[in-house]
Amino acid sequence: AQSVTQLGSHVSVSEGALVLLRCNYSSSVPPYLFWYVQYPNQGLQLLLKYTSAATLVKGINGFEAEFKKSETSFHLTKPSAHMSDAAEYFCAARGGGSNYKLTFGKGTLLTVNP
Amino acid sequence: GAVVSQHPSRVICKSGTSVKIECRSLDFQATTMFWYRQFPKQSLMLMATSNEGSKATYEQGVEKDKFLINHASLTLSTLTVTSAHPEDSSFYICSATPGTIYEQYFGPGTRLTVT
Repeated sequence: AQSVTQLGSHVSVSEGALVLLRCNYSSSVPPYLFWYVQYPNQGLQLLLKYTSAATLVKGINGFEAEFKKSETSFHLTKPSAHMSDAAEYFCAARGGGSNYKLTFGKGTLLTVNP
Repeated sequence: GAVVSQHPSRVICKSGTSVKIECRSLDFQATTMFWYRQFPKQSLMLMATSNEGSKATYEQGVEKDKFLINHASLTLSTLTVTSAHPEDSSFYICSATPGTIYEQYFGPGTRLTVT
């Protein structure tokens, strides 16, 4: 069974600082991996996804993530935080083939200080 | 493209009544739709997976008689919370996918409050 672990339920950065949100997965097969962002009282918006092509994935709003199989990690980064980045971020994984159920991490709340 | 809507966005109902939530894929045909529940400050919990024209597959611990799911067409799935109780108050989110190789597209969510 898949599991996704997000280290740090709350990350606080200053505006303009590097954003690093950590995600580790546990899977017997290389999974598809996703990062979603959720603003208060809204659904989830896809930031980026890894589907076994390039290991460095670029997403929207300046975010990117690197798939590292040796570390079973898929950490999300952004070089310079913006106030509008403040939100909840979820890492998710799904298996290949017909197994398309997503397994979510517990989420990381990002706050950006002025 | 790939827009999913939910209706209503917010609903308040009395204990013991039933409430229906609609999930629509607006610009694609969704072979599969998912229903999630999210408690405050927590992650999404998958409740069930529904395929058009088939019975929904419920996750362990989810009462299928309480949470009725109908996926009558390739663009519409409904979740009916029957005999709602205050503990059913939550944020319900649906997602849809046009096929297994694609990611899920999420709706904006429905806030249910049972008084």
